[in-house]
Amino acid sequence: AQSVAQPEDQVNVAEGNPLTVKCTYSVSGNPYLFWYVQYPNRGLQFLLKYITGDNLVKGSYGFEAEFNKSQTSFHLKKPSALVSDSALYFCAVRDERNTDKLIFGTGTRLQVFP
Amino acid sequence: DTGVSQDPRHKITKRGQNVTFRCDPISEHNRLYWYRQTLGQGPEFLTYFQNEAQLEKSRLLSDRFSAERPKGSFSTLEIQRTEQGDSAMYLCASSLLITRGGELFFGEGSRLTVL
Repeated sequence: AQSVAQPEDQVNVAEGNPLTVKCTYSVSGNPYLFWYVQYPNRGLQFLLKYITGDNLVKGSYGFEAEFNKSQTSFHLKKPSALVSDSALYFCAVRDERNTDKLIFGTGTRLQVFP
Repeated sequence: DTGVSQDPRHKITKRGQNVTFRCDPISEHNRLYWYRQTLGQGPEFLTYFQNEAQLEKSRLLSDRFSAERPKGSFSTLEIQRTEQGDSAMYLCASSLLITRGGELFFGEGSRLTVL
């Protein structure tokens, strides 16, 4: 069965510093990987995805993520954090062989301090 | 606004009552998904449709839950005899059937509180 883990409940970073939000996955086939962001009392907004090709993918709001097949990871990164990046971030995976549903991690709260 | 819309945004009900949520997907999207999210957790898959066909239901979905998408456009999620444990945010999402790489577009959610 496919699954995704976000090992950190919260990540704290100072504004202007680089940020990383971690995600590891488990699938039986090739993974399709996604990052979403959620602001309070709102739905989820798509940030970026990895399907195939370059391991470094770029997305909205200056975010990027690096796919590492050997480590089964898909960490979200940003070179310089903004206070407005503070939100809940979810990693999700879809297994190419298995199903059409996305399986989400438990989320990581990002807090960017001024 | 051409995004996914959900109605109502908030619903407060007493235990034992029935509730129904509606989702209008992005018009050209043929896939529609329902997820449930409780506080501090990630979205949990409930069910999804391709056009009007319900293709998968979570094993966690009790018989009190039923979803329909009668004409392949909007969808409804009904919860019968609500319980306090049903209190959650119910999220709807839609996507195009192109490949499994297609991302889901989410609505703002319908928050259910069962007293």
